[in-house]
Amino acid sequence: EDQVTQSPEALRLQEGESSSLNCSYTVSGLRGLFWYRQDPGKGPEFLFTLYSAGEEKEKERLKATLTKKESFLHITAPKPEDSATYLCAVQAGSGGSYIPTFGRGTSLIVHP
Amino acid sequence: DTGVSQDPRHKITKRGQNVTFRCDPISEHNRLYWYRQTLGQGPEFLTYFQNEAQLEKSRLLSDRFSAERPKGSFSTLEIQRTEQGDSAMYLCASSSSGKETQYFGPGTRLLVL
Repeated sequence: EDQVTQSPEALRLQEGESSSLNCSYTVSGLRGLFWYRQDPGKGPEFLFTLYSAGEEKEKERLKATLTKKESFLHITAPKPEDSATYLCAVQAGSGGSYIPTFGRGTSLIVHP
Repeated sequence: DTGVSQDPRHKITKRGQNVTFRCDPISEHNRLYWYRQTLGQGPEFLTYFQNEAQLEKSRLLSDRFSAERPKGSFSTLEIQRTEQGDSAMYLCASSSSGKETQYFGPGTRLLVL
């Protein structure tokens, strides 16, 4: 069974204090790993898709990296508007299922 | 690109009533997914359509839940005889064949009293 574990559950940062969120996964053949941002009361907003170990993607202050066992979402010099829950999901490559398994998310609060 | 839309955004109902939610996917997307999310949890898969065919349902989906996508465009999710445990955010997402990324709608928040 596919498993996704995100850590920490919650993270408080000061504005400008860089940090990383972790997503550890167990899946039989990775088809894709996804990062989403979710604001309270809203649907998840797509950030990145990573497909293979060693791949990196960047968007503004966010950078996602992928290894064979985990992914990191690095946040550089965060701002209060980066406060949100960040969700990680993995999609298995075997069996043809397109259904991703989500982690519980990391709740990030950035203080001004 | 208008994105995925869902209606209504909020629904309050009494236990035992039936409710129906609608999802309009991104127009060129042929795959549509329904998820349920409760506080502090990630989205939990309910069911998935490719065009008008319902290809997969979660074993957690009780007989009170039914979903349709009659013309391969919009989809409806109906919950019959609602229970308090059905209170959650119901999310819809869509994607294209050959592209794995799913795009989510704003969700419908259901409260069963």
